[in-house]
Amino acid sequence: NAGVTQTPKFRILKIGQSMTLQCTQDMNHNYMYWYRQDPGMGLKLIYYSVGAGITDKGEVPNGYNVSRSTTEDFPLRLELAAPSQTSVYFCASILQGANTEAFFGQGTRLTVV
Amino acid sequence: RKEVEQDPGPFNVPEGATVAFNCTYSNSASQSFFWYRQDCRKEPKLLMSVYSSGNEDGRFTAQLNRASQYISLLIRDSKLSDSATYLCVVNGAPNFNKFYFGSGTKLNVKP
Repeated sequence: NAGVTQTPKFRILKIGQSMTLQCTQDMNHNYMYWYRQDPGMGLKLIYYSVGAGITDKGEVPNGYNVSRSTTEDFPLRLELAAPSQTSVYFCASILQGANTEAFFGQGTRLTVV
Repeated sequence: RKEVEQDPGPFNVPEGATVAFNCTYSNSASQSFFWYRQDCRKEPKLLMSVYSSGNEDGRFTAQLNRASQYISLLIRDSKLSDSATYLCVVNGAPNFNKFYFGSGTKLNVKP
């Protein structure tokens, strides 16, 4: 049982480049989330999804896009990377919305130079 | 105002000490509360949920005070392995599907 898998683990992007961070879960969870964590800070919600075909913005959605075509996958797209997007990105999934454990992937460390 | 606020610490305590962390949240309608633990450069993992009546798991006790809008985590008999960052998590309202994280409280347990 792999849980939540994120790829890549590390990436260096140049300013203006684009990339997709992949997130896959094999637990048949309905809800999936993307967070970013800047050094010494907590996690900020970027986007989330409550099911296939449904996505919504979190606290810091600007500069990102998501899609949820299947229950398993929730990719995060960065268009026109900026240094401010240097961060660690975590994907998480939850079986249902409240009072249940969120399972996190191991994170993607992104540096924009 | 931030959804969730925590004292960043660090809390430096000797082994065997009792240490307590508090976390305040801004939305009185929030319904779900958690403590997560995050080790250095790792993903967060659930430590415990926080229930209205308070709950205990071994050396860890979590409490919720709805009137004052804060949750607490008490760690008794601290171990070296308890050294980590502890994140307070609260769900949003009226959209209960959003989960907000505090910035974390760092705990260093010294020999």
